[in-house]
Amino acid sequence: DAKTTQPNSMESNEEEPVHLPCNHSTISGTDYIHWYRQLPSQGPEYVIHGLTSNVNNRMASLAIAEDRKSSTLILHRATLRDAAVYYCILRDYDTDKLIFGTGTRLQVFP
Amino acid sequence: DAGVIQSPRHEVTEMGQEVTLRCKPISGHDYLFWYRQTMMRGLELLIYFNNNVPIDDSGMPEDRFSAKMPNASFSTLKIQPSEPRDSAVYFCASSLGGVGALHFGNGTRLTVT
Repeated sequence: DAKTTQPNSMESNEEEPVHLPCNHSTISGTDYIHWYRQLPSQGPEYVIHGLTSNVNNRMASLAIAEDRKSSTLILHRATLRDAAVYYCILRDYDTDKLIFGTGTRLQVFP
Repeated sequence: DAGVIQSPRHEVTEMGQEVTLRCKPISGHDYLFWYRQTMMRGLELLIYFNNNVPIDDSGMPEDRFSAKMPNASFSTLKIQPSEPRDSAVYFCASSLGGVGALHFGNGTRLTVT
């Protein structure tokens, strides 16, 4: 299973943009990049996913490097409700598995 | 859309008892996953199904754990006999297709005393 590397923690101020990085240097050509977040005492929540092109949805944007060895989740204006653990995961196209790492704990300050 | 529904939300049992956790995936989803989360080990994939067929159970910790999916709308995870180290939050998730988003339930918090 291809692995991802994320910083353990990050901090942001409310209403500022947040860029959460993820390295996945062993990604294969058919692995999809998924991002999930887990708020305290809740199950993981889907944020966004992509293959090669940058993706946008109502929650966030996903910027994927041209060589696909890294990606960045962008929260355009952080709110206190965005404080969570953010997981960057590769979904293996061959096995369909989704293996979670340790994620990045995002703290948002008012 | 009611989302993925898990029951019970909380389960407290004594060591040696049988525990059954239940999951109803989102209608139409063809993949179902069982995860376990602890502080020490984070989120671990236990087993997943595609079209009701178990595909990979390599994450199931021991023979005490078993999972079934008798139809597209129901799955169970059984632990028999339960042990204190099985205490964790167990999540069920479903997805449409092999690369789509996973939708998680609210989890079952299991405490084995």
